[in-house]
Amino acid sequence: NAGVTQTPKFRVLKTGQSMTLLCAQDMNHEYMYWYRQDPGMGLRLIHYSVGEGTTAKGEVPDGYNVSRLKKQNFLLGLESAAPSQTSVYFCASGHTYEQYFGPGTRLTVT
Amino acid sequence: AQSVTQLDSHVSVSEGTPVLLRCNYSSSYSPSLFWYVQHPNKGLQLLLKYTSAATLVKGINGFEAEFKKSETSFHLTKPSAHMSDAAEYFCVVSDQDRDDKIIFGKGTRLHILP
Repeated sequence: NAGVTQTPKFRVLKTGQSMTLLCAQDMNHEYMYWYRQDPGMGLRLIHYSVGEGTTAKGEVPDGYNVSRLKKQNFLLGLESAAPSQTSVYFCASGHTYEQYFGPGTRLTVT
Repeated sequence: AQSVTQLDSHVSVSEGTPVLLRCNYSSSYSPSLFWYVQHPNKGLQLLLKYTSAATLVKGINGFEAEFKKSETSFHLTKPSAHMSDAAEYFCVVSDQDRDDKIIFGKGTRLHILP
């Protein structure tokens, strides 16, 4: 089992560009999550999904969109990147009582 | 409303001495509490969890934590620190009935001195 994988691992964007981060899990989990991690802030929940075809907003959803077309995949999109979105993004699957995290995507917006 | 406070942003201990990482929480519901560890440039790994069973929870790598409702605390301890314990540790509270109520503390970086 690969667990939770994230693509890409690193990316640099210019302000206004768009991109999609891909998260994949092979543990047949219903729940998937996207977080961002900023220095001294811990992890903050962006969006989450409780099953295929469903998504919901977390604590900091503005500027991001998500889709869960397949159970194993959870996509995070930035339509028009801003420097404030420079961060490390983590995907997780599982449930609130136990989550499995991917290795992270380091995104820099210049 | 839920919140979690990690009382120390950095903790330094000598190898072989005890580790104490402090966490206080507030929750209006029946909380679940967790400790996660993050080694440099890695994802997060679950160390241990409390979900309303035994109040003393044992985790991986010799760590344990005690849920104290009267003190609203969930401190993480280890009797003897090892160099490989150097990492960032996150205390997390979630509401068992709310999918979106997952609150991370700001983290405590643990330094191990040789």
